[in-house]
Amino acid sequence: EPEVTQTPSHQVTQMGQEVILRCVPISNHLYFYWYRQILGQKVEFLVSFYNNEISEKSEIFDDQFSVERPDGSNFTLKIRSTKLEDSAMYFCASSKGQGNTGELFFGEGSRLTVL
Amino acid sequence: QKEVEQNSGPLSVPEGAIASLNCTYSDRGSQSFFWYRQYSGKSPELIMSIYSNGDKEDGRFTAQLNKASQYVSLLIRDSQPSDSATYLCLGLGNQFYFGTGTSLTVIP
Repeated sequence: EPEVTQTPSHQVTQMGQEVILRCVPISNHLYFYWYRQILGQKVEFLVSFYNNEISEKSEIFDDQFSVERPDGSNFTLKIRSTKLEDSAMYFCASSKGQGNTGELFFGEGSRLTVL
Repeated sequence: QKEVEQNSGPLSVPEGAIASLNCTYSDRGSQSFFWYRQYSGKSPELIMSIYSNGDKEDGRFTAQLNKASQYVSLLIRDSQPSDSATYLCLGLGNQFYFGTGTSLTVIP
């Protein structure tokens, strides 16, 4: 069964370093998303991406964050200068469409620890 | 403000009972609703989707949607200990935001 894959599963970085989290969405999906979950807290929407551009972003997704689909398969989230509060689990998701085909399928997550 | 509110937890039910989880939303543009289950340390897993007013049943799960009241619910019949998890509702339309989640514990 097709699935969303994410790498790395866990990354430890120093504050101020750049981090890139990678995702391979399900192949026939067109909409891509990043969410994050700080330990013990709710799943928070970061950004949605369609047709090679951001379609919506939350207040969390500030200038420190960027997303890119560098080729036909990968979808990346970059954090330019990490802060302690960026420590969280980051989930990538994809969907075939919106409305009745809008089910989001999630990857297993990338745990980011900022020291 | 785009908000999805879920009934406050945690919720505990005995094994075999019905668990009722509720969600209200503020964005009238939301067209599709989804219930996800999240085990501790794992990613959200899709359980049910519902698009039309009324009930939708899938095995032990029933989703209910009332767009006029901006209300969506999930009933779990014959609750099992393996149902113990956090349940998240998601509305899609003009928003992509999860509710805060309801923690369910099924007591053997």
